[in-house]
Amino acid sequence: NAGVTQTPKFQVLKTGQSMTLQCAQDMNHEYMSWYRQDPGMGLRLIHYSVGAGITDQGEVPNGYNVSRSTTEDFPLRLLSAAPSQTSVYFCASSGTGRHTEAFFGQGTRLTVV
Amino acid sequence: QQPVQSPQAVILREGEDAVINCSSSKALYSVHWYRQKHGEAPVFLMILLKGGEQKGHEKISASFNEKKQQSSLYLTASQLSYSGTYFCGTEDSGGYQKVTFGIGTKLQVIP
Repeated sequence: NAGVTQTPKFQVLKTGQSMTLQCAQDMNHEYMSWYRQDPGMGLRLIHYSVGAGITDQGEVPNGYNVSRSTTEDFPLRLLSAAPSQTSVYFCASSGTGRHTEAFFGQGTRLTVV
Repeated sequence: QQPVQSPQAVILREGEDAVINCSSSKALYSVHWYRQKHGEAPVFLMILLKGGEQKGHEKISASFNEKKQQSSLYLTASQLSYSGTYFCGTEDSGGYQKVTFGIGTKLQVIP
């Protein structure tokens, strides 16, 4: 049981490049979310999903796309990377029903130059 | 809208107590508390639900004032292992596990 797995752990991109941050969970959780963490800003919600095929925007969705074709996977796509997207990205999942503990992946540290 | 946490930082000596507060301008359905150590992922501590139900850590207590949209996390007899950044997350009434986090409270426990 691996929990929530994020790849890669570190990434450097050039401005304008695109990439996909991967997130997979093996706990059969319905809910999955992506957050970014910046100094002094806390954890800000980018996108979230309440099940396969259902996604919605969080607080800071601009510049990011998501899809949820399976219960296990919730990739985050950066369409055209900008220096403002330099951050640590966390994926989280939580179980069936509302108000359950969220499990976070170990994070992806992204630098856009 | 992010909940507001206070204080932003606190330094304690081992054995001292601390209270971390979290407030929101919106009606809340639940409050979630997490702790994050430097370079690690946030780890679940507790969920407090509207109506009084609590789920979580046995050694940490918290309160949720539904009328004031406020929650407080109580850390008693602090240990070195309590050091880290504490985040409160709030879930608005009607949201689908859409948890919005505050900017965090950095807690340092010193010998």
